[in-house]
Amino acid sequence: NAGVTQTPKFRILKIGQSMTLQCTQDMNHNYMYWYRQDPGMGLKLIYYSVGAGITDKGEVPNGYNVSRSTTEDFPLRLELAAPSQTSVYFCASSQPEGVYEQYFGPGTRLTVT
Amino acid sequence: GDSVTQMEGPVTLSEEAFLTINCTYTATGYPSLFWYVQYPGEGLQLLLKATKADDKGSNKGFEATYRKETTSFHLEKGSVQVSDSAVYFCALSDRDSWGKLQFGAGTQVVVTP
Repeated sequence: NAGVTQTPKFRILKIGQSMTLQCTQDMNHNYMYWYRQDPGMGLKLIYYSVGAGITDKGEVPNGYNVSRSTTEDFPLRLELAAPSQTSVYFCASSQPEGVYEQYFGPGTRLTVT
Repeated sequence: GDSVTQMEGPVTLSEEAFLTINCTYTATGYPSLFWYVQYPGEGLQLLLKATKADDKGSNKGFEATYRKETTSFHLEKGSVQVSDSAVYFCALSDRDSWGKLQFGAGTQVVVTP
């Protein structure tokens, strides 16, 4: 059981470039989430999904897009990268049972210069 | 809206010292409360949780009690080890919120031998 995996681990982008952060989970969880973590701050929710084909915005969605075509995958797309998107990105998943414990991936460190 | 406030770090302790990290929250309903831990270079892991008033969550020697009257969920450990060096996040999740987490800013704990 790999849990939640994210690729790449690190990436440097130039301003205006685009990229997709990949997230895959093998726990058959219905719910998936994308967070960003800025230095000295807690995690902020970007987007979330409650099942294949269903996504919704979180607290900081501007500049990002998501899709959920399968239960396992929840990619995050950055269009026209900006320095403000320099951050560490975490993907998480949970099952809608009990307290919805979230399982996190190892993160992607993104720098936009 | 909901919010979580936790004490700023870094908190530097000697091995076997007592650790307390304060966490207070603001929420309109009756949220579930969590402590997550992030070891260097890793994603977040659930440390403990509590779902209703007066519940005590515990794990790996850490404890926290859900205090509704003071809207607090302080984390404690009686005798820390060097391996407890990490960043600790307090978080809440409202009922009927699809498991979305609202995080505090995180508290870095450094334990020295």
